[in-house]
Order: sequence, then C-alpha cells, then structure tokens
Amino acid sequence: AQSVTQLGSHLSVSEGALVLLRCNYSSSVPPYLFWYVQYPNQGLQLLLKYTTGATLVKGINGFEAEFKKSETSFHLTKPSAHMSDAAEYFCAVSSNFGNEKLTFGTGTRLTIIP
Amino acid sequence: DSGVTQTPKHLITATGQRVTLRCSPRSGDLSVYWYQQSLDQGLQFLIHYYNGEERAKGNILERFSAQQFPDLHSELNLSSLELGDSALYFCASSPPQGAPGYTFGSGTRLTVV
Repeated sequence: AQSVTQLGSHLSVSEGALVLLRCNYSSSVPPYLFWYVQYPNQGLQLLLKYTTGATLVKGINGFEAEFKKSETSFHLTKPSAHMSDAAEYFCAVSSNFGNEKLTFGTGTRLTIIP
Repeated sequence: DSGVTQTPKHLITATGQRVTLRCSPRSGDLSVYWYQQSLDQGLQFLIHYYNGEERAKGNILERFSAQQFPDLHSELNLSSLELGDSALYFCASSPPQGAPGYTFGSGTRLTVV
C-alpha cells in the first residue's frame, strides 16, 4: 500500500519569498512521485514528476522538487513566490509497475501575501 | 486543453436520481481512472479501467458503477444520489507503457439538491 503525507493544509508566504511545500511518502516498492496544482474551480495540472534518474526534478512555473529516498520525501520548492502561485498543491505517488492508480495527499493551500 | 474530455462540466440533480458522467481519454491512452474530490474526503480514487477491463477499485460505493467502452471512453454511473455525493468528479488517463503520465480532465461538478 502507498500513502502520502503533506504537512500543513495551509501555507502563507510573502511575494518574493521562498516556497516550500512538504511531502513524505510511504511505498513498499520504488515509487513514481508527482506534484499537481489546482487553481480555483479548475482541474489538476501536472507541475512535475519523478520517475527514475536525476533526483532533482524541474517543473513548470519555476518549481522544482528533490526525491530523497533516505528521507522518503519529495518536497516542492520555488525560490521566489509570485501572486499567480496561489492555488492548492497536491503530492501524489504511484508504483513503478505502470498503469497503477495515483494516491494523493490531502493538499496544501498556498496563499501569497502581497 | 489537456486532451482528456469530461462532460458535462456541471450537473445539478435531485436526491434519488441517477446520472452518467462521461470521459474521453487522451489519444493513445488505454487507462482511465476516476476520482472524487470533496471537501471532507479530499481526492479519492474510485476505479481504474485499462483497455476495457476493470483493473482496480478504490473507495467506490455500490451505488456507483463504471465501464470503459471499445472506443476507450468511459462512463461513471451514479445512482440513488444522496446529498453527500455532491463533489467534483475527475477522470485521468495514462499511456499504456513507459513512464506514467496521468493527465486529468477538467472535471464534472455534481450538485445533489
């Protein structure tokens, strides 16, 4: 079984400040890891994903995440927050067997303070 | 446009009724997954179909059913609707091989009154 824990259901950061969204996973098999963003009244958009290879993954909109197997973590960061980053962020895990369901965390709502 | 099409976008219906939600996957994708998003339960996996066959079931109620047709589109049927079934229903598709790429549709917002 797989699970995802996102610490903090809400996060507020000032515009221009570092964004750090935490995600820890549990998986009995090597995982695939994902971050999705959901803007109000919209669907889920893929920010980035880790499958194999390089553990530092760069995504869209200046976000990146690092897979740390020893810490079972996949934290999402952005050096400088922008007002347009205000949204809800979901971390998700699937197995690397392919064609397996995604298991989501509970999400973190990011608010940007002008 | 993600390439995954869900219809309708909004649906308002009364308790006890039955509705059908439709999903067309991205071209070439064989898998369709259905998820329910509600305020109290978050994003819950409902069911997964691969090339017409059911592959996995999650927290899907017995009042709900799904199928995937030969043209690979999928339908989620919700019956005997209750107020608590009000939620956003998403489908996602993924390709048959290689690194996974789950692409989500824009969802159907179901309101049961």
